[in-house]
Amino acid sequence: DGGITQSPKYLFRKEGQNVTLSCEQNLNHDAMYWYRQDPGQGLRLIYYSQIVNDFQKGDIAEGYSVSREKKESFPLTVTSAQKNPTAFYLCASSIGPRGMSYEQYFGPGTRLTVT
Amino acid sequence: GENVEQHPSTLSVQEGDSAVIKCTYSDSASNYFPWYKQELGKRPQLIIDIRSNVGEKKDQRIAVTLNKTAKHFSLHITETQPEDSAVYFCAARDYKLTFGKGTLLTVNP
Repeated sequence: DGGITQSPKYLFRKEGQNVTLSCEQNLNHDAMYWYRQDPGQGLRLIYYSQIVNDFQKGDIAEGYSVSREKKESFPLTVTSAQKNPTAFYLCASSIGPRGMSYEQYFGPGTRLTVT
Repeated sequence: GENVEQHPSTLSVQEGDSAVIKCTYSDSASNYFPWYKQELGKRPQLIIDIRSNVGEKKDQRIAVTLNKTAKHFSLHITETQPEDSAVYFCAARDYKLTFGKGTLLTVNP
């Protein structure tokens, strides 16, 4: 089940702490994405990156930060400024601008609980 | 930006019946419409997609139809089986994917 991996599967943090979620892909995809999933809310885009060293805010970027220093990696930091961080976080990748396919491949997700 | 509405939010059918899930979108520039299936606790997986230059696409028991004029698209599952039970998401892409809120499909044996 390789391709795109996220770690850890479950993460627990105290309120006020920053936490970084890992996302790695070996699909040679240029584009990577972070989504947040809450019950009944579908998937909402946090940040995306079409190419190394470049990223854009999605619909709900406040309280989150990302970096894209390597093609394979797109870590997401949930900062203490995020008011309601408890959620299921999904990373995805796609070929990107150079390819004709728009299909996004998802990682297994990280369930973050902040108390 | 794009807005995607998905209905119904829950759908219960008997095994062997058909299931239909409908989505509408707002941005006429959207050109790609995928459907994802997500089983409990698992990652979403693409089951079928359609581009704006095509009106219908089939893959075995699954079909998607697109009406660009009305800005709506639908997922049709025939001969449903218990393993079809999952949450289904539609999405529309202008420059990024915007997802509907999902439909919980339950197929009763």
